[in-house]
Amino acid sequence: ILNVEQSPQSLHVQEGDSTNFTCSFPSSNFYALHWYRWETAKSPEALFVMTLNGDEKKKGRISATLNTKEGYSYLYIKGSQPEDSATYLCANTGNQFYFGTGTSLTVIP
Amino acid sequence: KAGVTQTPRYLIKTRGQQVTLSCSPISGHRSVSWYQQTPGQGLQFLFEYFSETQRNKGNFPGRFSGRQFSNSRSEMNVSTLELGDSALYLCASSLVPGQTYEQYFGPGTRLTVT
Repeated sequence: ILNVEQSPQSLHVQEGDSTNFTCSFPSSNFYALHWYRWETAKSPEALFVMTLNGDEKKKGRISATLNTKEGYSYLYIKGSQPEDSATYLCANTGNQFYFGTGTSLTVIP
Repeated sequence: KAGVTQTPRYLIKTRGQQVTLSCSPISGHRSVSWYQQTPGQGLQFLFEYFSETQRNKGNFPGRFSGRQFSNSRSEMNVSTLELGDSALYLCASSLVPGQTYEQYFGPGTRLTVT
């Protein structure tokens, strides 16, 4: 089983703050790591797919890094905005997607 | 390009009844996966279909079943509903199955069992 743990469970930051959260997975069972953003009343939206150790991806103010040897990925948001408020999910993939329970981010204006 | 659609969006059923949920993938996508989300739980994988064949199944009882049609549309069925089946059911499509392919999610069907 490709257990995925995410921390923290929830986060409140002020507008303009930068923040980051963690996705941990068994380093011995890594295939690909996906990040999704899930806004309230919307569908989960894919952010990044990461496959190689040392991978770094960036989309606007959001970026992610991957360390497959130690089994973690970080998601960074620079200069958080209220529209970044969402639950951020990560998933490890084998023969199926194994999702973590997510980090709920609230950006306070 | 139209996104993934799911019908119905909301459903209220009684214990013991059965229910069928429908998912239409993005045009050209041939893989459809289904997930259940309950409070406090992450997305739990139900099953994945590709080319009308179930490729993988999650750890759910046999009351949960599904199928895929030749146009890639998929349905899932839950028989003999239990209160614990109340959840948000999401389907997701991708071009083909694979660890590096992004999944595109539908809006979900909110099922309430009373």
